[in-house]
Amino acid sequence: AQSVTQLDSHVSVSEGTPVLLRCNYSSSYSPSLFWYVQHPNKGLQLLLKYTSAATLVKGINGFEAEFKKSETSFHLTKPSAHMSDAAEYFCVVSQASQGNLIFGKGTKLSVKP
Amino acid sequence: ETGVTQSPTHLIKTRGQQVTLRCSSQSGHNTVSWYQQALGQGPQFIFQYYREEENGRGNFPPRFSGLQFPNYSSELNVNALELDDSALYLCASSPGAYSYEQYFGPGTRLTVT
Repeated sequence: AQSVTQLDSHVSVSEGTPVLLRCNYSSSYSPSLFWYVQHPNKGLQLLLKYTSAATLVKGINGFEAEFKKSETSFHLTKPSAHMSDAAEYFCVVSQASQGNLIFGKGTKLSVKP
Repeated sequence: ETGVTQSPTHLIKTRGQQVTLRCSSQSGHNTVSWYQQALGQGPQFIFQYYREEENGRGNFPPRFSGLQFPNYSSELNVNALELDDSALYLCASSPGAYSYEQYFGPGTRLTVT
């Protein structure tokens, strides 16, 4: 069975400093992995996706993630945080047999001025 | 291109009542998935509808049921509401049953008192 574990429930950074949100996955086969962002009172937005192509995936708003099979990780990074990045971030794995998504518990990112 | 829409935005019900939530899928999408997001948690898969048939179900009791219509819009029905059903209910549409590209609506906030 597939699952994802987000290692931090809350991350706080200063504006202009790097962002690192950590995610480990468990899957019996090559997974499809995603990061979604959820701003308060807004729907989930897809940031980026990995589907067995390039291991370094670039997404929207300057975010990127690297798929590391040996470490079963899919960490989300951004070189320089912006105030507008403050939100809840979810690491997600796709359960291909059913077509549904399995979400982690989320990491709340706070950005200090 | 119209995105995924959900109605109502907010709803307050009493324990034991029944509720119907509605979702209009994105143009060109024939698959709708429903998720429940409890406060402070990641979304959990309820079920998926593909071409008017249920195409997968998560770990939710039978009092959670759904429908998909010929225009691919969908309803989520919950009978005998319990306090723990209080959550944000998210609808996502996708272009196929096993497509990992799911586009989320803003959600319906259900409060059960």
